[in-house]
Amino acid sequence: DVKVTQSSRYLVKRTGEKVFLECVQDMDHENMFWYRQDPGLGLRLIYFSYDVKMKEKGDIPEGYSVSREKKERFSLILESASTNQTSMYLCASTAGQSYNSPLHFGNGTRLTVT
Amino acid sequence: KNQVEQSPQSLIILEGKNCTLQCNYTVSPFSNLRWYKQDTGRGPVSLTIMTFSENTKSNGRYTATLDADTKQSSLHITASQLSDSASYICVVSVYTGFQKLVFGTGTRLLVSP
Repeated sequence: DVKVTQSSRYLVKRTGEKVFLECVQDMDHENMFWYRQDPGLGLRLIYFSYDVKMKEKGDIPEGYSVSREKKERFSLILESASTNQTSMYLCASTAGQSYNSPLHFGNGTRLTVT
Repeated sequence: KNQVEQSPQSLIILEGKNCTLQCNYTVSPFSNLRWYKQDTGRGPVSLTIMTFSENTKSNGRYTATLDADTKQSSLHITASQLSDSASYICVVSVYTGFQKLVFGTGTRLLVSP
């Protein structure tokens, strides 16, 4: 089974702090994604990466950056955390370029910014 | 505008009963439609993926249907169990240069003993 591991289940940070969310997958997947999930909204794509050192903006990239130095690891960075970034963050991965490959999600990091 | 709408927002059923969740979409060009199950505090898990040519797909007690003409899908759960209590998310893939997914807001199902 594919395993996508997010380093923290819960995080509490202060406004203005730099925050790192880490994600590791163990199935050699090319593609990795960061989403945020808020009540009443569908998952929204922040950034994705289809190869090492490659990154593409998703639908809501403002205030975020990413890093993919190794194939298995995809990091989401909040440069200066703000209260409107309080959310559940979900990392996902999928193999290859097939449109029919399922996304495999981690269990999420619930971030609270105070 | 690409959109996925799910109904109902929430549903309570008795253990052992069947239920059907609905998904309507306005997505173009269509690539495939997925159903995910998300337990509380967990990430979504894939149940089914259906392409344009597939009308029905089953995964155990879960059966998804797709009507590409009316742009509707349903997820039918047979003989519900307490462990079926979760949010069910409909996701439509847009056929672009890369896999772009449009997520519904989910139906929250509670199976009561």
